[in-house]
Amino acid sequence: EAQVTQNPRYLITVTGKKLTVTCSQNMNHEYMSWYRQDPGLGLRQIYYSMNVEVTDKGDVPEGYKVSRKEKRNFPLILESPSPNQTSLYFCASSPYRTADSPLHFGNGTRLTVT
Amino acid sequence: GNSVTQMEGPVTLSEEAFLTINCTYTATGYPSLFWYVQYPGEGLQLLLKATKADDKGSNKGFEATYRKETTSFHLEKGSVQVSDSAVYFCALDSNSGYALNFGKGTSLLVTP
Repeated sequence: EAQVTQNPRYLITVTGKKLTVTCSQNMNHEYMSWYRQDPGLGLRQIYYSMNVEVTDKGDVPEGYKVSRKEKRNFPLILESPSPNQTSLYFCASSPYRTADSPLHFGNGTRLTVT
Repeated sequence: GNSVTQMEGPVTLSEEAFLTINCTYTATGYPSLFWYVQYPGEGLQLLLKATKADDKGSNKGFEATYRKETTSFHLEKGSVQVSDSAVYFCALDSNSGYALNFGKGTSLLVTP
């Protein structure tokens, strides 16, 4: 089944403890992206990747890192999480980054930082 | 810059009622427009799209028409079902960048 898989679905952590949220897609998509969803703010892009070893900042990249060593994986790294990073995170992918290539989303990771 | 404005929710309707969710946009050039739907506990999934002015996107009984003169892409359905309860996001692709611009989402609750 074609899908974008994120893990974990839920994560509670403490301020400053490094964490990684994994994202994997099995559709051979070139483009991958991370979004955060917050009440009243909608979805905001954190980072995106046009292809392997190519990553770039989105609208809200501060406090996050990403890597794209393989085509299928695009982990999101929080080196020192803070409470303002409590949010619902979505990974998404598409064959290419064009209007004819709609995004496929994972089911989300709900992160709580205390 | 590009932006999308959706009507505030939540919207509560009875089953079989008519649905309209308003969406207007600001963009330069000729963007493509989308509606995504998010069911509880899931990620977003594409509902419909329109890539040029006067195009009508449709899927699962939902429709939206790309109106360049009013910069709008309102979502409509003639008769909603309980299973349509979800959050609906209007989105814009400027065709010149690397991100979609999403609206803030409109929550729809359909009651039996």
